[in-house]
Amino acid sequence: ETGVTQSPTHLIKTRGQQVTLRCSSQSGHNTVSWYQQALGQGPQFIFQYYREEENGRGNFPPRFSGLQFPNYSSELNVNALELDDSALYLCASSSAGMRGGEKLFFGSGTQLSVL
Amino acid sequence: QKEVEQNSGPLSVPEGAIASLNCTYSDRGSQSFFWYRQYSGKSPELIMFIYSNGDKEDGRFTAQLNKASQYVSLLIRDSQPSDSATYLCAVEGGTASKLTFGTGTRLQVTL
Repeated sequence: ETGVTQSPTHLIKTRGQQVTLRCSSQSGHNTVSWYQQALGQGPQFIFQYYREEENGRGNFPPRFSGLQFPNYSSELNVNALELDDSALYLCASSSAGMRGGEKLFFGSGTQLSVL
Repeated sequence: QKEVEQNSGPLSVPEGAIASLNCTYSDRGSQSFFWYRQYSGKSPELIMFIYSNGDKEDGRFTAQLNKASQYVSLLIRDSQPSDSATYLCAVEGGTASKLTFGTGTRLQVTL
């Protein structure tokens, strides 16, 4: 158990809909990162939040957005869902902030299917 | 060119043998390197991390790093059927805690 919890575990949506995924970070962690893992691929970095601000973003369009709350929990929002958005969405928390070399521990993920 | 490259496998080794998993990366400025194990349908689990050139051992696992050759490897000694999984190599990029992953190597340990 990593102490990182994600909800829901599974979700089915149709193309064009919007979805919100949630993540509760491990106690004491102030940084949350989101990753997308398509079937047969490694996780891809979406973005990171540190102290409620976006701190780095991967190659994902603006319809992927996020929030971090004062208790360091986080949401990932995806608008105008596309079939290719079907993937496992992973959240990881750390106390890294701006500091490198920190180990990332992932939650159990949300499996999103877009039909 | 992929930033982190791994052979997708499957790599098949008999029980009790040494499994050797390899990874190359393109960013010479990378400082932190991680190995994750992922069972089918589960999330990645951190098993090793290494920051300095050389070897780092933890139980049956040894991570090896050669920054000059931009090469990271993971050795698993006395392989067990429970080691059968996909092993993901990850490299920390320009943003702290931003990891770039390879596509993973699937390991099969046979009885």
